[in-house]
Amino acid sequence: SQTIHQWPATLVQPVGSPLSLECTVEGTSNPNLYWYRQAAGRGLQLLFYSVGIGQISSEVPQNLSASRPQDRQFILSSKKLLLSDSGFYLCAWSAYRGLNEQYFGPGTRLTVT
Amino acid sequence: GEDVEQSLFLSVREGDSSVINCTYTDSSSTYLYWYKQEPGAGLQLLTYIFSNMDMKQDQRLTVLLNKKDKHLSLRIADTQTGDSAIYFCAERLSGYSTLTFGKGTMLLVSP
Repeated sequence: SQTIHQWPATLVQPVGSPLSLECTVEGTSNPNLYWYRQAAGRGLQLLFYSVGIGQISSEVPQNLSASRPQDRQFILSSKKLLLSDSGFYLCAWSAYRGLNEQYFGPGTRLTVT
Repeated sequence: GEDVEQSLFLSVREGDSSVINCTYTDSSSTYLYWYKQEPGAGLQLLTYIFSNMDMKQDQRLTVLLNKKDKHLSLRIADTQTGDSAIYFCAERLSGYSTLTFGKGTMLLVSP
């Protein structure tokens, strides 16, 4: 069966510090991968998605970046965090083909102080 | 354009039925999904429906799709306190690999 992992689960970082959040998927090959941010208003904002190694599509201009160094690894980064980067970050995967239903990881709670 | 809208809050009593509504604007939607999010957790896929279907039933869950009105609903029969969560509807447009989510409906089930 497929599983998706995210770490860390929670993170408190000062403004201006770097960020690296990691997401890995097990039990599937060539998944589509997604990063979302969920702010206090509860809505989900799609940040990045990837259909293959090294292929990243950015949905929203911001000071975040994403990378996919391996087939089942997706990393969200920032060089300098802003207060507005606080939120709940969710990684998701979907199969390369088919219904494209997305399966979500447990999330990372980021607080920028 | 693509937009998915949901009411923000629904309160029901345990044992009653809950109906969560969603509207979408893009007629090229191919699949529509319902997700559940419990506090502090990721989203859990509950069910989905193809755009050429009117209804889908899965145990206590019934999804109704009115494609003419672009209206999707999720009915939960015999609602339990464990059903308290935020429910998101999402649509997938033809030819796209991304989903567009609504802002979520918070369902509160009281004993």
